[in-house]
Amino acid sequence: EAGVTQFPSHSVIEKGQTVTLRCDPISGHDNLYWYRRVMGKEIKFLLHFVKESKQDESGMPNNRFLAERTGGTYSTLKVQPAELEDSGVYFCASSRKQGSGANVLTFGAGSRLTVL
Amino acid sequence: RKEVEQDPGPFNVPEGATVAFNCTYSNSASQSFFWYRQDCRKEPKLLMSVYSSGNEDGRFTAQLNRASQYISLLIRDSKLSDSATYLCVVNIPPGGSQGNLIFGKGTKLSVKP
Repeated sequence: EAGVTQFPSHSVIEKGQTVTLRCDPISGHDNLYWYRRVMGKEIKFLLHFVKESKQDESGMPNNRFLAERTGGTYSTLKVQPAELEDSGVYFCASSRKQGSGANVLTFGAGSRLTVL
Repeated sequence: RKEVEQDPGPFNVPEGATVAFNCTYSNSASQSFFWYRQDCRKEPKLLMSVYSSGNEDGRFTAQLNRASQYISLLIRDSKLSDSATYLCVVNIPPGGSQGNLIFGKGTKLSVKP
């Protein structure tokens, strides 16, 4: 099966600009997650979709971040306006709906964001 | 105190060596435990889940001690291809979603010829 794909792989923007990251989960995976790793820190959870609904968005840092998953397929994560501290690698992951596979996440290769 | 703590390393070992990684977690409500592997500039990949009874997968053995809130990973007969960062990960579903994984910062392993 095709893996989790993310676009772009790397984005360089200036402070104050807007960036939209996209994630295509594995087909049939209802659960979609966003994580990020800022330099020198551990990977941290941002939010979790079940289909098109936000199940848990406790990790979203502030209201400059907006995640959507219209139609329950791909997801976008928009940062507007971007700040320097938003630089890092944004990972998307997906998993099956329920059962033993629900917390076995498959990660995408990540989108590296550099804010200048 | 960090939720998941690991020795950052790096661990530099020769091929064939046995290497052990340790991890502690702070939340006693943690229910699921994993080791992930991350190669440089790549995504984390699940190496193995960790069960209370301990589990083995080839050269890899994982142990969990719930009383001490301690997780370990043992790699025997290390190969050059084992060089990577090993991430200790826990999951605390109650109050958080099932995929809300808590990551350690990782321990870097470098296996030398």
